[in-house]
Amino acid sequence: GNSVTQMEGPVTLSEEAFLTINCTYTATGYPSLFWYVQYPGEGLQLLLKATKADDKGSNKGFEATYRKETTSFHLEKGSVQVSDSAVYFCALSGTSYGKLTFGQGTILTVHP
Amino acid sequence: NAGVTQTPKFRVLKTGQSMTLLCAQDMNHEYMYWYRQDPGMGLRLIHYSVGEGTTAKGEVPDGYNVSRLKKQNFLLGLESAAPSQTSVYFCASSGQGRFYNEQFFGPGTRLTVL
Repeated sequence: GNSVTQMEGPVTLSEEAFLTINCTYTATGYPSLFWYVQYPGEGLQLLLKATKADDKGSNKGFEATYRKETTSFHLEKGSVQVSDSAVYFCALSGTSYGKLTFGQGTILTVHP
Repeated sequence: NAGVTQTPKFRVLKTGQSMTLLCAQDMNHEYMYWYRQDPGMGLRLIHYSVGEGTTAKGEVPDGYNVSRLKKQNFLLGLESAAPSQTSVYFCASSGQGRFYNEQFFGPGTRLTVL
């Protein structure tokens, strides 16, 4: 079956540092890949997505590239802000009714 | 548009009690989902629905029932709550066409079972 593995956290960075959160997946076929973000006390929001190999999703300075050869979808941001502190989830969706399989989540804390 | 709403936001139950969580969406989405979120485990799919009057089991369906009598509503029921069902529950919905696979989430319900 499908599965998603994220790097373990928590991740603690200083403001303006470079961020990478690793995500690898196992799936049959050609899944779509997503990054969701959850701010404290809120539900999940879609951050970015990619629907086919070599696609790059980007939003709010975050980027991730769909790498089929390495089955990866790593999240990057060049300069993080305190407001980026949140939990980040990598997820994939196969072809069955849009059901999502999530990674375990990575807590990011950014200090001033 | 309110998007996806959930009621209640918080609830404390005693073991053996029952309750229903309500999810409502105003985006005319066909698909709706219930997830539970537990520390270190991400979100796991409990049940889902691909249209009014239909429901299907997800990854962790035991101890839960669902109903989708109206397209905009998706109810999650716990008939006899257990401490293992202490969790945060999220509802989500998604449409078809261009935004297929893009799920919109509600704010969550924090449930504690004593």
